[in-house]
Amino acid sequence: SYELTQPPSVSVSPGQTARITCSGDALPKEYAYWYQQRPGQAPIMVIYKDTERPSGIPERFSGSSSGTTVTLTISGVQAEDEADYYCQSADNSRTWVFGGGTKLTVL
Amino acid sequence: EVQLVQSGAEVKKPGESLKISCQGSGYNFANYWIAWVRQLPGKGLEWMGIINPGESKARYNPSFQGQVIISADRPITTAYLQWNSVKASDSAIYYCARLASSTHIGMDVWGQGTTVTVSS
Repeated sequence: SYELTQPPSVSVSPGQTARITCSGDALPKEYAYWYQQRPGQAPIMVIYKDTERPSGIPERFSGSSSGTTVTLTISGVQAEDEADYYCQSADNSRTWVFGGGTKLTVL
Repeated sequence: EVQLVQSGAEVKKPGESLKISCQGSGYNFANYWIAWVRQLPGKGLEWMGIINPGESKARYNPSFQGQVIISADRPITTAYLQWNSVKASDSAIYYCARLASSTHIGMDVWGQGTTVTVSS
């Protein structure tokens, strides 16, 4: 079955830039979406269609795509950004898939 | 305010039936697909399936096909996820979420989650 691969963890100091990658063979053809999930809370969409930011999401969140890898970039990381981040996309049979998640730690 | 409000936590014994709900408000319920997402304890997100509330047409992740039933009642703006016979492995948090658009699969509004515990 189709898989999206994310690093299990990323650590950065406050004010630095965090980059979280997501790799999958179908990503050149299918959009990717990113969700933030803080402990004990429901997920929130922070990026859609690879690079678009929903209203209300801070500008420090951005997305990019290159070949089979998409990247969520958080510039000027703040303590409140500490959370789990999941990418989402679809395979060629329109089955939706989530990546395994990346725990962002703000040191 | 656009929101999805889910039913409360459930505790069931193996083999019992279960139906949890997700009520939408603040928007035209019939115009936005609803997805169900499972999160096992301490694990990641898994897409279970989606339903078009306007047509009550559901599509399932093959991994969940035949294991659950997704339905909707448009007049009361509520979507459902049900099991005929729960197992201990069904213990998880279940989220409903609204698809933001008919043109992509991003989910912009999420319910608060329903915790299901299955234990003898």
